[in-house]
Amino acid sequence: DQQVKQNSPSLSVQEGRISILNCDYTNSMFDYFLWYKKYPAEGPTFLISISSIKDKNEDGRFTVFLNKSAKHLSLHIVPSQPGDSAVYFCAAPYTGRRALTFGSGTRLQVQP
Amino acid sequence: GAGVSQSPSNKVTEKGKDVELRCDPISGHTALYWYRQSLGQGLEFLIYFQGNSAPDKSGLPSDRFSAERTGGSVSTLTIQRTQQEDSAVYLCASSPTSGASSYNEQFFGPGTRLTVL
Repeated sequence: DQQVKQNSPSLSVQEGRISILNCDYTNSMFDYFLWYKKYPAEGPTFLISISSIKDKNEDGRFTVFLNKSAKHLSLHIVPSQPGDSAVYFCAAPYTGRRALTFGSGTRLQVQP
Repeated sequence: GAGVSQSPSNKVTEKGKDVELRCDPISGHTALYWYRQSLGQGLEFLIYFQGNSAPDKSGLPSDRFSAERTGGSVSTLTIQRTQQEDSAVYLCASSPTSGASSYNEQFFGPGTRLTVL
């Protein structure tokens, strides 16, 4: 049972435009969400997170939005840059545990 | 280097053989995690260490999988009698604490790509 789902395997946007990556979850007990970014042949690196007590968290070009009633979160990248091309994973900690459960990832391609 | 390192980076083995994958966490990080990523899938949790003990082994897919951690540092993931479905990238992560803030602070290694023929 995949509790965190990313239904879009890939996304292509033009440089300078907005990238929107989506993530849905099924477990209403999740209280913290994270986005990781992964380049080929490297491990994922932490990008941004949000607590369930908030509906928005912003860090530079990256903003994460959380809609608890819809069990949906999204990552906005504005403006998108070619260096943002990577696979993006959303994740949440397993309830009461330390490990993370990850979505299957969305491959973002930013075209120059 | 200051990051998490894993070895080997690639491992090709024959079905039925045993393999050992190594993880060197960031110095001083008390928590260590193993995940794996199969083709087209997200990262799947395998096991979590706090110090040398493993309070959460719930992700290990079968008794062919085991892991240990010694000296609160290096960890080894062992897969016995490998099967083709074990082929995946095995990722190790470490974090400085096991508190809530560690969710931000899981630092991943580059992974070991295991191919079972």
